[in-house]
Amino acid sequence: DAGVTQSPTHLIKTRGQHVTLRCSPISGHKSVSWYQQVLGQGPQFIFQYYEKEERGRGNFPDRFSARQFPNYSSELNVNALLLGDSALYLCASSSGVLAGTDTQYFGPGTRLTVL
Amino acid sequence: AQSVTQLDSHVSVSEGTPVLLRCNYSSSYSPSLFWYVQHPNKGLQLLLKYTSAATLVKGINGFEAEFKKSETSFHLTKPSAHMSDAAEYFCVVSAYSSASKIIFGSGTRLSIRP
Repeated sequence: DAGVTQSPTHLIKTRGQHVTLRCSPISGHKSVSWYQQVLGQGPQFIFQYYEKEERGRGNFPDRFSARQFPNYSSELNVNALLLGDSALYLCASSSGVLAGTDTQYFGPGTRLTVL
Repeated sequence: AQSVTQLDSHVSVSEGTPVLLRCNYSSSYSPSLFWYVQHPNKGLQLLLKYTSAATLVKGINGFEAEFKKSETSFHLTKPSAHMSDAAEYFCVVSAYSSASKIIFGSGTRLSIRP
């Protein structure tokens, strides 16, 4: 079975640009969560979506947005990129809405570099 | 409020010796606790989780962790280290059901000496 997939694997952008990251969950999983992992730190929660509705939001500015599609895939959008947005962006899927207790399955991540 | 502290940023052990990775947590709620492993250029993989059942939790690859409420600890152990265990390990605390209250520790890098 295919695991969580993310695209692209690497991305280089310049300050002020916009970026879209994509995630496909494990088949049958309806919940997708997004995390930002800055080099040398643990992942930090950004968003959770379940059944196309936002179910949780971390402490990130409004430049960050996301959505989930009817097939449960998801996009993370970041506007007006800053140097500090350079990070590994991780997507995780789980079967239920309880992301706090369910087992989450992580994708390999998208490495974003902002110059 | 929730927080998690991984007490060692780097642990080095010899192959075949025990592994101990320390994690302390703070939570206003009855917490769920997880350990994840991250190998270089790979995604995070769940090792084990505690969700208010048995306090001694067994995970994959011979790892286990014990939930100690009185000490607010959830240390990860393995009796005998293998070279393939070299990776970054994250302790995670979350409030019941709430995604926005999932907190990752800063990570412990485990090195294995031949």
